[in-house]
Amino acid sequence: SAVISQKPSRDICQRGTSLTIQCQVDSQVTMMFWYRQQPGQSLTLIATANQGSEATYESGFVIDKFPISRPNLTFSTLTVSNMSPEDSSIYLCSVSGGGQPQHFGDGTRLSIL
Amino acid sequence: GENVEQHPSTLSVQEGDSAVIKCTYSDSASNYFPWYKQELGKGPQLIIDIRSNVGEKKDQRIAVTLNKTAKHFSLHITETQPEDSAVYFCAATPMEYGNKLVFGAGTILRVKS
Repeated sequence: SAVISQKPSRDICQRGTSLTIQCQVDSQVTMMFWYRQQPGQSLTLIATANQGSEATYESGFVIDKFPISRPNLTFSTLTVSNMSPEDSSIYLCSVSGGGQPQHFGDGTRLSIL
Repeated sequence: GENVEQHPSTLSVQEGDSAVIKCTYSDSASNYFPWYKQELGKGPQLIIDIRSNVGEKKDQRIAVTLNKTAKHFSLHITETQPEDSAVYFCAATPMEYGNKLVFGAGTILRVKS
């Protein structure tokens, strides 16, 4: 399966600031997704990152708060904008394609002070 | 949209015993059901999956069963070991690999030695 690298692995940020999370895959993949996992909770899909076009956001998530880029088939970024303590979560990138099921990176653990 | 319920929320078993986790889904269009294991500080790892045209699938100590009529599927772990201790998530999607996953709430499995 694809090797997925997320950076940073964790960060502590001040409220009102923004953080960009990177997801790098070692092979070209069709689909890339971004999930949020709040403390002690399950995974919720934020958006599907589309190569060369705007991401597709799920209900409750908006582009202004979570802008996403996907410039090619191996890389995507998620920005968490104007952060508040409620944004403290694990943010996970996942990929699928080429007949392979969805696989996840190890996530970015984000704390907002 | 799809809704996945998972039970129990926590499960404690003695080493060597079996563990069973159950999930129900609401959308009859769902046809792919993966199970993920998440260890502390890691992303979810796919451990087994099943498609709707199959009733049961087994991989060593792990098996999954699917009842399409009742819309439920279960994870069975036999001969549990301490390293099986983790959070387990079930998920469902109407498209095998290329679509978003809807996750259950998760089950914390503790295997006592």
